[in-house]
Amino acid sequence: GAVVSQHPSRVICKSGTSVKIECRSLDFQATTMFWYRQFPKQSLMLMATSNEGSKATYEQGVEKDKFLINHASLTLSTLTVTSAHPEDSSFYICSASPGQANNYGYTFGSGTRLTVV
Amino acid sequence: AQSVTQLDSQVPVFEEAPVELRCNYSSSVSVYLFWYVQYPNQGLQLLLKYLSGSTLVKGINGFEAEFNKSQTSFHLRKPSVHICDTAEYFCAVSESNQGGKLIFGQGTELSVKP
Repeated sequence: GAVVSQHPSRVICKSGTSVKIECRSLDFQATTMFWYRQFPKQSLMLMATSNEGSKATYEQGVEKDKFLINHASLTLSTLTVTSAHPEDSSFYICSASPGQANNYGYTFGSGTRLTVV
Repeated sequence: AQSVTQLDSQVPVFEEAPVELRCNYSSSVSVYLFWYVQYPNQGLQLLLKYLSGSTLVKGINGFEAEFNKSQTSFHLRKPSVHICDTAEYFCAVSESNQGGKLIFGQGTELSVKP
């Protein structure tokens, strides 16, 4: 089945530094990947749609200069949290689909727990 | 604009009892419906999905859901739950004209007690 690998699973960084999170589709190609953010005991909020070879599409209220997304290949999308602050601490999850998402469904990565101290 | 409402934030239930987790949605176009399960500090696992056809959908781990277009609902059911079903459950909707974007409900915490 389709597998999405997300790395790292946990990261602690100092305030003001940048953190990069990787999302890889291991056994399929994904022209589109999605990045979500989840606060404790809350639902997933879509941050942006990552498109291979083009700019990401950000949801309203998401700072594109704060959350840099790069989708340079058909199997890798990265989310960089720039100049991280404690309020950026959250659980970040990516997802991708091996084909027409609505036919195949979405496969989610295992998530990255970011803690900014 | 589409939205998803999960009516119960927490559902406590005893082991081997039946359970229903409720989900309602609003949309002006055709939708695709999904249920996901999330265990602590993990990503999401697809339980089942409705794309078209039969309104009763069977998924993994003994779960099933029924799409009711007139009531705009997609409730998740299991006839007999186990301790290992304790997790967070999310209902999600994708509109046919939105390029695959998923909108999630608030989640329901299912707690199965012995």
